[in-house]
Amino acid sequence: EAQVTQNPRYLITVTGKKLTVTCSQNMNHEYMSWYRQDPGLGLRQIYYSMNVEVTDKGDVPEGYKVSRKEKRNFPLILESPSPNQTSLYFCASSLSSGTSNQPQHFGDGTRLSIL
Amino acid sequence: AQSVTQLGSHVSVSEGALVLLRCNYSSSVPPYLFWYVQYPNQGLQLLLKYTTGATLVKGINGFEAEFKKSETSFHLTKPSAHMSDAAEYFCAVSDPGGYNKLIFGAGTRLAVHP
Repeated sequence: EAQVTQNPRYLITVTGKKLTVTCSQNMNHEYMSWYRQDPGLGLRQIYYSMNVEVTDKGDVPEGYKVSRKEKRNFPLILESPSPNQTSLYFCASSLSSGTSNQPQHFGDGTRLSIL
Repeated sequence: AQSVTQLGSHVSVSEGALVLLRCNYSSSVPPYLFWYVQYPNQGLQLLLKYTTGATLVKGINGFEAEFKKSETSFHLTKPSAHMSDAAEYFCAVSDPGGYNKLIFGAGTRLAVHP
Protein backbone atom coordinates (compact mmCIF):
# COMPACT_ATOMS: atom_id res chain seq x y z
CA GLU A 1 0.00 0.00 0.00
CA ALA A 2 1.30 3.44 -0.98
CA GLN A 3 1.79 5.51 2.12
CA VAL A 4 3.69 8.12 4.07
CA THR A 5 4.54 6.90 7.56
CA GLN A 6 5.37 9.20 10.44
CA ASN A 7 6.63 8.23 13.88
CA PRO A 8 5.82 8.84 16.61
CA ARG A 9 2.14 9.78 16.29
CA TYR A 10 2.13 11.46 19.69
CA LEU A 11 4.94 12.81 21.85
CA ILE A 12 5.04 14.80 25.05
CA THR A 13 8.48 16.07 25.97
CA VAL A 14 10.25 18.89 27.76
CA THR A 15 11.97 22.03 26.62
CA GLY A 16 15.48 21.49 25.32
CA LYS A 17 15.39 17.73 24.89
CA LYS A 18 16.37 16.91 21.30
CA LEU A 19 13.84 14.91 19.34
CA THR A 20 13.44 13.48 15.86
CA VAL A 21 10.23 12.78 14.00
CA THR A 22 10.75 10.23 11.26
CA CYS A 23 9.01 10.22 7.90
CA SER A 24 9.20 7.49 5.30
CA GLN A 25 7.44 7.05 1.95
CA ASN A 26 7.27 3.92 -0.19
CA MET A 27 6.28 5.54 -3.49
CA ASN A 28 9.74 6.50 -4.79
CA HIS A 29 8.70 10.15 -4.65
CA GLU A 30 11.24 12.88 -5.36
CA TYR A 31 9.66 15.66 -3.36
CA MET A 32 9.11 15.61 0.38
CA SER A 33 8.00 18.31 2.75
CA TRP A 34 7.22 19.04 6.38
CA TYR A 35 4.30 21.18 7.52
CA ARG A 36 3.01 22.29 10.86
CA GLN A 37 -0.71 22.79 11.45
CA ASP A 38 -1.91 25.32 13.99
CA PRO A 39 -5.52 26.38 14.65
CA GLY A 40 -6.61 29.25 12.45
CA LEU A 41 -3.40 29.17 10.43
CA GLY A 42 -3.84 26.11 8.24
CA LEU A 43 -0.67 24.27 7.28
CA ARG A 44 2.63 26.09 6.91
CA GLN A 45 5.69 24.63 5.28
CA ILE A 46 8.75 24.12 7.48
CA TYR A 47 11.28 22.52 5.11
CA TYR A 48 11.17 20.72 1.83
CA SER A 49 13.42 18.47 -0.24
CA MET A 50 13.55 18.25 -4.02
CA ASN A 51 15.62 15.07 -3.96
CA VAL A 52 18.37 13.27 -2.08
CA GLU A 53 20.77 15.73 -0.44
CA VAL A 54 18.71 18.71 -1.68
CA THR A 55 16.79 20.53 1.05
CA ASP A 56 15.63 24.09 1.58
CA LYS A 57 13.72 26.26 4.01
CA GLY A 58 10.00 26.75 3.83
CA ASP A 59 8.07 29.53 5.50
CA VAL A 60 8.66 28.67 9.17
CA PRO A 61 12.07 26.91 9.41
CA GLU A 62 13.34 28.45 12.67
CA GLY A 63 14.17 25.83 15.29
CA TYR A 64 14.04 22.88 12.90
CA LYS A 65 16.51 20.82 10.88
CA VAL A 66 16.04 18.17 8.22
CA SER A 67 18.13 15.76 6.24
CA ARG A 68 17.57 13.69 3.10
CA LYS A 69 20.22 11.01 2.93
CA GLU A 70 17.94 8.46 1.26
CA LYS A 71 15.08 9.06 -1.12
CA ARG A 72 12.47 7.43 1.09
CA ASN A 73 13.31 9.14 4.41
CA PHE A 74 13.00 12.75 5.50
CA PRO A 75 13.37 13.17 9.27
CA LEU A 76 12.49 16.37 11.10
CA ILE A 77 14.85 17.29 13.93
CA LEU A 78 14.16 19.65 16.80
CA GLU A 79 17.56 20.22 18.41
CA SER A 80 16.27 22.24 21.35
CA PRO A 81 12.48 22.16 21.38
CA SER A 82 10.55 25.04 22.87
CA PRO A 83 6.85 25.34 23.84
CA ASN A 84 6.06 27.40 20.72
CA GLN A 85 6.85 24.29 18.68
CA THR A 86 3.88 22.50 20.21
CA SER A 87 1.85 21.68 17.13
CA LEU A 88 0.55 19.02 14.77
CA TYR A 89 3.16 18.07 12.18
CA PHE A 90 2.64 16.50 8.78
CA CYS A 91 5.06 14.98 6.35
CA ALA A 92 4.07 14.90 2.68
CA SER A 93 5.52 13.63 -0.56
CA SER A 94 4.82 13.93 -4.25
CA LEU A 95 6.10 12.24 -7.34
CA SER A 96 8.05 14.98 -9.04
CA SER A 97 9.76 18.11 -7.87
CA GLY A 98 9.69 19.66 -11.29
CA THR A 99 6.00 20.44 -11.64
CA SER A 100 3.67 21.92 -9.08
CA ASN A 101 0.46 20.22 -10.22
CA GLN A 102 1.27 17.01 -8.43
CA PRO A 103 -0.98 16.12 -5.51
CA GLN A 104 0.82 15.62 -2.24
CA HIS A 105 0.39 12.49 -0.14
CA PHE A 106 0.26 13.15 3.59
CA GLY A 107 1.17 11.11 6.61
CA ASP A 108 -1.28 10.77 9.50
CA GLY A 109 0.45 13.45 11.54
CA THR A 110 2.54 13.73 14.70
CA ARG A 111 1.15 15.65 17.63
CA LEU A 112 4.00 17.21 19.62
CA SER A 113 3.55 18.76 23.04
CA ILE A 114 6.57 20.54 24.49
CA LEU A 115 6.30 21.48 28.15
CA ALA B 1 2.99 36.44 -2.91
CA GLN B 2 0.25 33.88 -3.05
CA SER B 3 -2.39 33.64 -0.36
CA VAL B 4 -5.60 31.74 0.25
CA THR B 5 -8.68 32.89 2.13
CA GLN B 6 -11.36 30.49 3.25
CA LEU B 7 -14.50 32.30 4.33
CA GLY B 8 -15.97 30.75 7.44
CA SER B 9 -13.89 28.71 9.83
CA HIS B 10 -16.98 26.67 10.73
CA VAL B 11 -19.90 25.71 8.50
CA SER B 12 -22.88 23.71 9.69
CA VAL B 13 -25.44 22.09 7.39
CA SER B 14 -28.26 19.60 7.69
CA GLU B 15 -27.93 16.14 6.22
CA GLY B 16 -29.14 16.32 2.62
CA ALA B 17 -28.52 20.06 2.28
CA LEU B 18 -26.16 21.77 -0.13
CA VAL B 19 -22.57 22.12 1.00
CA LEU B 20 -20.75 25.29 -0.08
CA LEU B 21 -17.23 25.99 1.17
CA ARG B 22 -15.67 29.18 -0.09
CA CYS B 23 -12.10 29.71 -1.22
CA ASN B 24 -10.55 32.83 -2.72
CA TYR B 25 -6.93 33.14 -3.72
CA SER B 26 -4.48 35.87 -4.46
CA SER B 27 -1.82 35.19 -7.05
CA SER B 28 0.02 37.09 -9.74
CA VAL B 29 -0.51 34.21 -12.15
CA PRO B 30 -3.37 31.71 -12.36
CA PRO B 31 -2.32 29.07 -9.87
CA TYR B 32 -2.96 25.39 -9.58
CA LEU B 33 -5.75 24.86 -7.05
CA PHE B 34 -6.48 22.01 -4.67
CA TRP B 35 -9.02 20.98 -2.08
CA TYR B 36 -7.95 18.59 0.66
CA VAL B 37 -10.05 16.97 3.37
CA GLN B 38 -8.86 16.02 6.84
CA TYR B 39 -10.82 13.53 8.92
CA PRO B 40 -10.16 13.37 12.67
CA ASN B 41 -6.74 11.96 13.57
CA GLN B 42 -5.80 11.54 9.94
CA GLY B 43 -3.67 13.26 7.36
CA LEU B 44 -4.97 15.27 4.43
CA GLN B 45 -6.52 13.54 1.44
CA LEU B 46 -6.85 15.11 -1.98
CA LEU B 47 -10.47 15.80 -2.92
CA LEU B 48 -9.86 17.43 -6.28
CA LYS B 49 -7.52 19.69 -8.17
CA TYR B 50 -7.59 22.21 -10.98
CA THR B 51 -4.55 22.63 -13.18
CA THR B 52 -5.68 23.49 -16.70
CA GLY B 53 -8.64 22.83 -18.98
CA ALA B 54 -12.22 22.49 -17.81
CA THR B 55 -12.96 24.92 -15.02
CA LEU B 56 -15.53 22.66 -13.33
CA VAL B 57 -13.65 19.90 -11.59
CA LYS B 58 -15.21 16.79 -10.10
CA GLY B 59 -13.61 15.04 -7.19
CA ILE B 60 -14.18 12.14 -4.87
CA ASN B 61 -17.23 11.62 -2.64
CA GLY B 62 -19.50 13.73 -4.87
CA PHE B 63 -17.63 17.02 -4.40
CA GLU B 64 -16.90 19.45 -7.17
CA ALA B 65 -15.35 22.87 -7.50
CA GLU B 66 -15.37 25.57 -10.13
CA PHE B 67 -12.39 27.75 -10.98
CA LYS B 68 -13.54 31.31 -11.66
CA LYS B 69 -10.61 33.40 -12.76
CA SER B 70 -12.55 36.68 -12.79
CA GLU B 71 -13.56 36.16 -9.17
CA THR B 72 -10.27 34.49 -8.11
CA SER B 73 -12.38 31.81 -6.50
CA PHE B 74 -12.43 28.02 -6.25
CA HIS B 75 -15.48 27.21 -4.13
CA LEU B 76 -16.20 23.61 -3.15
CA THR B 77 -19.74 22.25 -3.40
CA LYS B 78 -21.68 19.07 -2.87
CA PRO B 79 -25.41 18.90 -3.66
CA SER B 80 -26.41 16.76 -0.69
CA ALA B 81 -24.44 16.51 2.54
CA HIS B 82 -23.89 13.21 4.26
CA MET B 83 -22.96 12.66 7.89
CA SER B 84 -19.65 11.20 6.75
CA ASP B 85 -18.70 14.55 5.16
CA ALA B 86 -18.04 16.06 8.58
CA ALA B 87 -14.36 16.97 8.49
CA GLU B 88 -12.01 19.89 8.01
CA TYR B 89 -11.48 21.13 4.47
CA PHE B 90 -8.45 22.99 3.19
CA CYS B 91 -8.07 24.96 0.00
CA ALA B 92 -4.51 25.27 -1.33
CA VAL B 93 -2.69 26.85 -4.25
CA SER B 94 0.63 26.28 -5.92
CA ASP B 95 2.61 28.32 -8.40
CA PRO B 96 2.64 26.75 -11.89
CA GLY B 97 6.12 28.11 -12.44
CA GLY B 98 7.51 26.85 -9.18
CA TYR B 99 8.12 23.63 -7.38
CA ASN B 100 5.55 21.75 -5.32
CA LYS B 101 5.06 24.26 -2.52
CA LEU B 102 1.46 24.47 -1.38
CA ILE B 103 -0.01 27.55 0.27
CA PHE B 104 -2.96 26.56 2.44
CA GLY B 105 -5.98 28.42 3.66
CA ALA B 106 -6.83 28.34 7.36
CA GLY B 107 -9.37 25.57 6.86
CA THR B 108 -13.14 25.22 7.24
CA ARG B 109 -14.62 22.74 9.66
CA LEU B 110 -17.82 21.25 8.28
CA ALA B 111 -20.42 19.91 10.69
CA VAL B 112 -23.37 17.87 9.39
CA HIS B 113 -26.35 17.44 11.64
CA PRO B 114 -29.33 15.11 11.26
